[in-house]
Parts: sequence; structure tokens; C-alpha cells
Amino acid sequence: QVQLQESGPGLVKPSETLSLTCTVSGGSISSYYWSWIRQPPGKALEWIGYIYYTGSTHYNPSLKSRVTMSVDTSKNEFSLKLTSATATDTAVYFCARVSPTGSTGGPFDFWGQGTLVTVSS
Amino acid sequence: DIVMTQSPDSLAVSLGERATINCKSSQSIFYSSNNKNYLGWYQQKPGQPPKLLINWASTRESGVPDRFSGSGSGTDFTLTISSLQAEDVALYYCQQYYATPVTFGGGTKVEIK
Repeated sequence: QVQLQESGPGLVKPSETLSLTCTVSGGSISSYYWSWIRQPPGKALEWIGYIYYTGSTHYNPSLKSRVTMSVDTSKNEFSLKLTSATATDTAVYFCARVSPTGSTGGPFDFWGQGTLVTVSS
Repeated sequence: DIVMTQSPDSLAVSLGERATINCKSSQSIFYSSNNKNYLGWYQQKPGQPPKLLINWASTRESGVPDRFSGSGSGTDFTLTISSLQAEDVALYYCQQYYATPVTFGGGTKVEIK
């Protein structure tokens, strides 16, 4: 059974960079697309982007100028960096696997538990 | 962006009764070349990540009870819980994966009447 676990600081200061890592266990990161999705408190889900195990990426245009995703197949993990953080970036951040029977954008069949990142001074 | 609009925002249903959630996309998410609707349904309980229930609008994921069913095509879709159980109390989201950016509906809260 594939498991995903997000890790990173729970508190980020405004204007700084939010950095998270998703570690995949129980399966290989290779041959799959992986995504980051966030959920502001009490609000709906927002897709941030996806990365393929080869390193190719596709970001949500609403965040594209601030987002970078990377993958490290040797560690079976992928990462998210979001620069110039503001209070509106406060959210639970999930990493997820794109179903191999889906398309590049989804659906998402395995999810991490999520990690709350608060942007505040 | 394709906008996904869910209705109602919330509904209260008696145990054993039917619950119906609607999801409408701002443009068709049906791909004629493979005859598939690029729509998924998720269930999210408090403090948990979403759980994929249905993909391709009507295909249940392995292990999902058969009281959950999905239907619809083009721009109009429905998730039906045929006989509501206590453990079905949750938020439900639809998601289109026809085009990027991938987008989700605003969610529907299902409660027990």
C-alpha cells in the first residue's frame, strides 16, 4: 500500500519561502505523476501543480510565478517551494499520487495526511 | 479555467434514505476520442485527506461500497448515496481532470437528519 507523508515547517513568515517535502513509501515514485493540493481552513481544494518522476512539471497559472516542484527518485520523494508567502497561502498542504488509470491531472488515488502551514509573523 | 459548481452546499438526509449531490462544469469534460468523462468524486471526513470514491464519472474505486454511484455526462454529474449510513457524514467534492488547471467543486456537506 502506497503511503505519502508531508514534512516541513508549520510556520512561515510573510515574504519567505514555504518549503515542503513528500516522502513516498510502499511503492516507487517512478512512472507516476505526483501533485500538490492545498486547502485553506474551511475552504475548498486548490490544485497547485504536478510533477512527473522525470522532473517535468505543470503548475497552476494562478501560482506559477511562485511555485517550483522537484523530485528526488533516489530518496523516493518530491518537493514544493512557494516563494513570497502571504497570509493567503495559509492552508493544509496535501501531496497526492495521480491514479495510473487517470490522466496527468488526476484523479488522485493516494494522499498524504496533510500538513498545516501558517504564514504569519 | 473550468469552473465546477456543486449543489446543494449542504443537505441533511435520514439514515437509510437517498442523498443526491450535483456537480456542473462550465464546459464539457467529455472526451469523445475515448468516450470518457474526466470527473472524479471524493469524500473528506474532518481531519482527513480526501478519499477517491469514483473516477471517470461512474467507476467506483476498489473497496467503495456500492451504495455510492456516479452518473452524468458532458457538463452535468451526480453522486448518489442510495441508502445513507452514519459513516457517510462528510464533505463531498467533485473534480475535473479534463484540463489543467485541475479544478474542484466547492464541496457539499452531508449530514444526518
